[in-house]
Amino acid sequence: AQSVTQPDIHITVSEGASLELRCNYSYGATPYLFWYVQSPGQGLQLLLKYFSGDTLVQGIKGFEAEFKRSQSSFNLRKPSVHWSDAAEYFCAVGSMTTDSWGKLQFGAGTQVVVTP
Amino acid sequence: DVKVTQSSRYLVKRTGEKVFLECVQDMDHENMFWYRQDPGLGLRLIYFSYDVKMKEKGDIPEGYSVSREKKERFSLILESASTNQTSMYLCASTDRGGAYNEQFFGPGTRLTVL
Repeated sequence: AQSVTQPDIHITVSEGASLELRCNYSYGATPYLFWYVQSPGQGLQLLLKYFSGDTLVQGIKGFEAEFKRSQSSFNLRKPSVHWSDAAEYFCAVGSMTTDSWGKLQFGAGTQVVVTP
Repeated sequence: DVKVTQSSRYLVKRTGEKVFLECVQDMDHENMFWYRQDPGLGLRLIYFSYDVKMKEKGDIPEGYSVSREKKERFSLILESASTNQTSMYLCASTDRGGAYNEQFFGPGTRLTVL
């Protein structure tokens, strides 16, 4: 069965410190991997995505993620966190099967709190 | 600027009422989705539609139905609302082409069923 695991429900980080959010997936086919962010009161916004090629992917707002096939992981990182990065982050997995219709499987989310 | 709009940000209904949640996108996308978001569970797919009048069940369709009469509009219907349907509902759309296309999300409707 397909699954996406975000082991950390809640992370607190100081402004200016680095941030890493973990995502592990279990998927039979070659996965397409995404990170979305949901700011308070907002819908989800795409941060970055990986399909193939370079395993280090750059996204918006200074975020990057690294795909590690051997570890079935797609961790999100930011070198220096800003107060505006306080939000909930979702990892998602999809596949290009004939009946996928663009469906995604989402993780449970990680809530990030940024302290001064 | 691409946009997905949802008819209400907040909705309070009583048990047994019929509830309509409306979603409209202005990007001419073929695929539209309804998700339910609950703390600790992430987003779970209720229904999706890949064309007008076409629909497919997602992971948790029980207690819900959908309607897509026009390409830009996708409605979620709770035939008889129950308290366990209190949740945040998110609509999304994406262009035809599969999972590598970005899903664009609306701001969500927070539904409370009393």
